[in-house]
Amino acid sequence: ETGVTQSPTHLIKTRGQQVTLRCSSQSGHNTVSWYQQALGQGPQFIFQYYREEENGRGNFPPRFSGLQFPNYSSELNVNALELDDSALYLCASSLGGGNPNTGELFFGEGSRLTVL
Amino acid sequence: DAKTTQPPSMDCAEGRAANLPCNHSTISGNEYVYWYRQIHSQGPQYIIHGLKNNETNEMASLIITEDRKSSTLILPHATLRDTAVYYCIVREKYNFNKFYFGSGTKLNVKP
Repeated sequence: ETGVTQSPTHLIKTRGQQVTLRCSSQSGHNTVSWYQQALGQGPQFIFQYYREEENGRGNFPPRFSGLQFPNYSSELNVNALELDDSALYLCASSLGGGNPNTGELFFGEGSRLTVL
Repeated sequence: DAKTTQPPSMDCAEGRAANLPCNHSTISGNEYVYWYRQIHSQGPQYIIHGLKNNETNEMASLIITEDRKSSTLILPHATLRDTAVYYCIVREKYNFNKFYFGSGTKLNVKP
């Protein structure tokens, strides 16, 4: 139990639609990062938010966007869904956006998105 | 973009030590090595991390070679509940929360 909660746990969308995934970070954590995990692969970094600003992004197109709110919770938005967007989307929270000594990321259980 | 290489799978007998190797030959001087594990369809769970020195905690030990090009995660007494995918990760120097996950090692602990 990490204290990181994600919603919804499962959802089904059709190609071309838009989706919003939500994440509540562990109490006191000011940094949230999002990962995409396709079936049978390791998680791939999408982006990170620190104090409500994006401060790191992986190789994902602009239709993947996010927000972080003053309470440090976060949203991941994906527009124009494609079949390959089907994956487990993981949110992770931590303390300190740029300190290498902040230790581990705390992951939620993920939101499983299926695009038909 | 993963900077690590791990064997795809390993078997271990219950009660024995599990030694999981990882190669990270391009690691930079200030990059950390982290280990996480993921039990089926759950979120990854932190195990241990290190920079240069060997580390030990209540879950595992991490042995890093002197040239830092490889490391080994040791689970001293594996149990069936340790069956999981284990990821060796290099933590990027200037994006401290950008973790490069590879494909990991599926550890099968057998009775």
